[in-house]
Amino acid sequence: KQEVTQIPAALSVPEGENLVLNCSFTDSAIYNLQWFRQDPGKGLTSLLLIQSSQREQTSGRLNASLDKSSGRSTLYIAASQPGDSATYLCAVGFTGTASKLTFGTGTRLQVTL
Amino acid sequence: EPEVTQTPSHQVTQMGQEVILRCVPISNHLYFYWYRQILGQKVEFLVSFYNNEISEKSEIFDDQFSVERPDGSNFTLKIRSTKLEDSAMYFCASSPHRQETQYFGPGTRLLVL
Repeated sequence: KQEVTQIPAALSVPEGENLVLNCSFTDSAIYNLQWFRQDPGKGLTSLLLIQSSQREQTSGRLNASLDKSSGRSTLYIAASQPGDSATYLCAVGFTGTASKLTFGTGTRLQVTL
Repeated sequence: EPEVTQTPSHQVTQMGQEVILRCVPISNHLYFYWYRQILGQKVEFLVSFYNNEISEKSEIFDDQFSVERPDGSNFTLKIRSTKLEDSAMYFCASSPHRQETQYFGPGTRLLVL
């Protein structure tokens, strides 16, 4: 079964710290991986998309890496700010599916002052 | 910046009633999706739609669900006879092409009593 796991489930860091969120997936046959941010009771905001042929993508203070062979992706957030507090979701497009995304349970991040 | 919109933001209905959730995808996008998130659980794929037909659906998307693009802008999800377990946040998403970034709407919170 194709599954996506995110560890840790929750993380609290002081403002200014660099941090890494982890995502693992059970099947290395993927076509892309997408990171989202979800604020409480809100929709999903797309942060980064990594195609299977890529190893990383960067947007501002965010950097996402992909290691297909080991079934892992990381989201690196530099110089964290209180406004980064949210749940971060990893979603994988597995090969053999038309276009659906399979989501992890997310990591709830709190950045404290 | 173009965004996916959804109406209503909240809907309360009685068990057994029909509901229609509405979405306006980003205008030049070709692929449309519905996902749902039961409170405290993962985001789950329901269905994807392309060229006026379903391209993929999950086990959740049984005969009580249907999707339609009634005109050039709207994309709807109909639940024919709602059950208590249909209570969830329903997200619409769209992407320019298959396997590209999916952009999500703010969601419709459905409560079935």
